[in-house]
Amino acid sequence: DQQVKQNSPSLSVQEGRISILNCDYTNSMFDYFLWYKKYPAEGPTFLISISSIKDKNEDGRFTVFLNKSAKHLSLHIVPSQPGDSAVYFCAASAWTDKLIFGTGTRLQVFP
Amino acid sequence: DAGVIQSPRHEVTEMGQEVTLRCKPISGHDYLFWYRQTMMRGLELLIYFNNNVPIDDSGMPEDRFSAKMPNASFSTLKIQPSEPRDSAVYFCASRTGLAGGNTDTQYFGPGTRLTVL
Repeated sequence: DQQVKQNSPSLSVQEGRISILNCDYTNSMFDYFLWYKKYPAEGPTFLISISSIKDKNEDGRFTVFLNKSAKHLSLHIVPSQPGDSAVYFCAASAWTDKLIFGTGTRLQVFP
Repeated sequence: DAGVIQSPRHEVTEMGQEVTLRCKPISGHDYLFWYRQTMMRGLELLIYFNNNVPIDDSGMPEDRFSAKMPNASFSTLKIQPSEPRDSAVYFCASRTGLAGGNTDTQYFGPGTRLTVL
């Protein structure tokens, strides 16, 4: 049973435009949410996070939005750059040390 | 710091053979996690350790899988006997426990790509 779902396996966006990656979760006990980015042949690297007490967190070109009532998380990248092409994993945790990851969305940014 | 180190980077073996994956966490990190990545299930947590003690192994798929952490700088994940469905990328990650709770960042190694023929 997937508690964290990324329903879009891939996304293609033109350079300079906005990329929106979505994530849904089922466990209402989740209190901390993260996005990780993964390049081929490398391990995932932390990108941005948000606590359940907030609804938005911004870091440069990256913004994460949390809608608790809808159990929905999204990552906005503005403007998108070719170097952003990677697989993005959404993750969540519920007052524990464990992170529950989604299946990932492959983002391709083309010129 | 060199980051989390995993070896080997690639492993090809035949069904029934024993496979051992190795991980050296970042020095000073109290937590170590083993994950498996597949297309269908994404990143799955297999087991994690705190101060070298296994805390939660509920993600270990079968008794064929075992993990140890004999000291703070080394951990192994063993599969015996291996099967073709074990083919995946296995990641090790570590983090501190400084912030408390679950907010410390996990740092991942480059992974071991396992192919079982």
